[in-house]
Amino acid sequence: GEDVEQSLFLSVREGDSSVINCTYTDSSSTYLYWYKQEPGAGLQLLTYIFSNMDMKQDQRLTVLLNKKDKHLSLRIADTQTGDSAIYFCAESMSQNAGNMLTFGGGTRLMVKP
Amino acid sequence: ETGVTQSPTHLIKTRGQQVTLRCSSQSGHNTVSWYQQALGQGPQFIFQYYREEENGRGNFPPRFSGLQFPNYSSELNVNALELDDSALYLCASSDPDRPSYEQYFGPGTRLTVT
Repeated sequence: GEDVEQSLFLSVREGDSSVINCTYTDSSSTYLYWYKQEPGAGLQLLTYIFSNMDMKQDQRLTVLLNKKDKHLSLRIADTQTGDSAIYFCAESMSQNAGNMLTFGGGTRLMVKP
Repeated sequence: ETGVTQSPTHLIKTRGQQVTLRCSSQSGHNTVSWYQQALGQGPQFIFQYYREEENGRGNFPPRFSGLQFPNYSSELNVNALELDDSALYLCASSDPDRPSYEQYFGPGTRLTVT
């Protein structure tokens, strides 16, 4: 199946860590991505991870991948008010499908000062 | 390096009309994908173009069609507009030679069908 699921909402205090979770169903996914969308804007690519990796760190962002459980998470350290946005995880489907991305429904992150 | 651009920014059409949306890919990218994002949802894949040929299609009816030009810019055409076509239409470009296949998105065109 092609189903990516995320929790709808997360609220944290400024300076805390945020953890956004995602589950996917297609074990053939080669890459998994995290995108950020601010109100009225397009999607900004934050980071991605290859499916044979367990973890990837990029400045304040840490991606963890549990391939056995098909679970992906994005940790944002020292969360700032500017991090308030909707975060989407996406999986890259097979080449036969033209390398389409399948997105989750998004998690709205609210950062309180 | 120029990012992905889309035009127009906003558009209002009447049910039954036709619309054309435009996208210019990021410099050096020869693959363009189109997505539809309904309010409060994640983007849904419409189709992808690579070197002027359709290279994959999602679950959208034939009234959604596209083109890619030699300069890799692209158009999305929607005929016989329906109220449910109201959405943010996103274009993304990518370089298929990169193994990570990451796609870079434009700001989108918000289409309202009345």
